[in-house]
Amino acid sequence: AQTVTQSQPEMSVQEAETVTLSCTYDTSESDYYLFWYKQPPSRQMILVIRQEAYKQQNATENRFSVNFQKAAKSFSLKISDSQLGDAAMYFCAYRLYGSGNTPLVFGKGTRLSVIA
Amino acid sequence: DAGVIQSPRHEVTEMGQEVTLRCKPISGHNSLFWYRQTMMRGLELLIYFNNNVPIDDSGMPEDRFSAKMPNASFSTLKIQPSEPRDSAVYFCASSPSGANVLTFGAGSRLTVL
Repeated sequence: AQTVTQSQPEMSVQEAETVTLSCTYDTSESDYYLFWYKQPPSRQMILVIRQEAYKQQNATENRFSVNFQKAAKSFSLKISDSQLGDAAMYFCAYRLYGSGNTPLVFGKGTRLSVIA
Repeated sequence: DAGVIQSPRHEVTEMGQEVTLRCKPISGHNSLFWYRQTMMRGLELLIYFNNNVPIDDSGMPEDRFSAKMPNASFSTLKIQPSEPRDSAVYFCASSPSGANVLTFGAGSRLTVL
């Protein structure tokens, strides 16, 4: 079974600084997707960024970027120029590629605080 | 597009009562997923459907839990009888065929006293 591990239960960052959230996963498959979701206090799950495992290029979405290391099974999220609105729980997730839709497997999450 | 719609947003009930949570997926999405979120266990998959057919219900904790998807636009998650340890936020998510993204509803917060 696939597992996702987020080793940092809590992180904090100064406003305008950069922070990196860690994620590792375990799988024997070669085709899969990786995601970072944000959950603010409203509890809505918001997709931040996604990465296809077959792509070597790291995904980037504005201030958010990932460092995808397939051999190491590592998928970290970097947030640049942190803003107060970035404060939230961040979940790393894995999804197996399949002919039919498959579910997401989530890590336990990292709570990010942004200090003004 | 109204997104994935869940109801109720909040439910407070007493132990032993039946609870029904509802979900309307995004039109055209053919996969639907039920997750439970607790502080201790994080986000756990309970069950998911493809084309209204249950594919994997191994995450359903006990026989007290049941889920149905009678058509492409509606699903229910029922707990009978409810227990205090069922208190959690229950999320529904949907996905179109071949897509690599799930869209989540706002969640239903259940409190069982």
